[in-house]
Amino acid sequence: GAVVSQHPSWVICKSGTSVKIECRSLDFQATTMFWYRQFPKQSLMLMATSNEGSKATYEQGVEKDKFLINHASLTLSTLTVTSAHPEDSSFYICSARDRRVGETQYFGPGTRLLVL
Amino acid sequence: KQEVTQIPAALSVPEGENLVLNCSFTDSAIYNLQWFRQDPGKGLTSLLLIQSSQREQTSGRLNASLDKSSGRSTLYIAASQPGDSATYLCAVNQAGANSKLTFGKGITLSVRP
Repeated sequence: GAVVSQHPSWVICKSGTSVKIECRSLDFQATTMFWYRQFPKQSLMLMATSNEGSKATYEQGVEKDKFLINHASLTLSTLTVTSAHPEDSSFYICSARDRRVGETQYFGPGTRLLVL
Repeated sequence: KQEVTQIPAALSVPEGENLVLNCSFTDSAIYNLQWFRQDPGKGLTSLLLIQSSQREQTSGRLNASLDKSSGRSTLYIAASQPGDSATYLCAVNQAGANSKLTFGKGITLSVRP
């Protein structure tokens, strides 16, 4: 089946630094990738939709200058949390859509970010 | 705006019991609905996907039903096992472009040995 990986799986950083998270589709081409954030005991909230070769579409309330998304190839999307603050600590999950199987999204294992 | 509700937030049952997890959504104009499993600190595993034209899907001990007109879906787990302990998330794929998923908060299931 379709596999999506994320790197790193967890990261601890100091406040004010930037953190980059990678999302890769390992065995399929993903024209669309999605980035979600999940706070403890809460559901996944969609942050942005990333289409290969074009600018990401951000959900209302998500700062595009703070959460930079790049989808430069059909197998890789990156999320960069710029000038991270403790309130950005969360579980970030990406998903990728394989158009060959319709609208199904395949999810990565997530990245735990802790900002001190 | 689509809202997905899962009640109760947590459920504890003895091993072997058959159980039903409920999911409701406010906008019936959906493309499909998915049930996911999430283990603590982990990503999501897709369990079942039901297209809007379907009534149910089955996989092993799992059966998911969809009543689009009433905005409801259920996940039936037969003969529950301790390994079924996890959080179960329901997500609705709204019809239209970009296939956005709207998630419920999930039901945390604990199956006692």
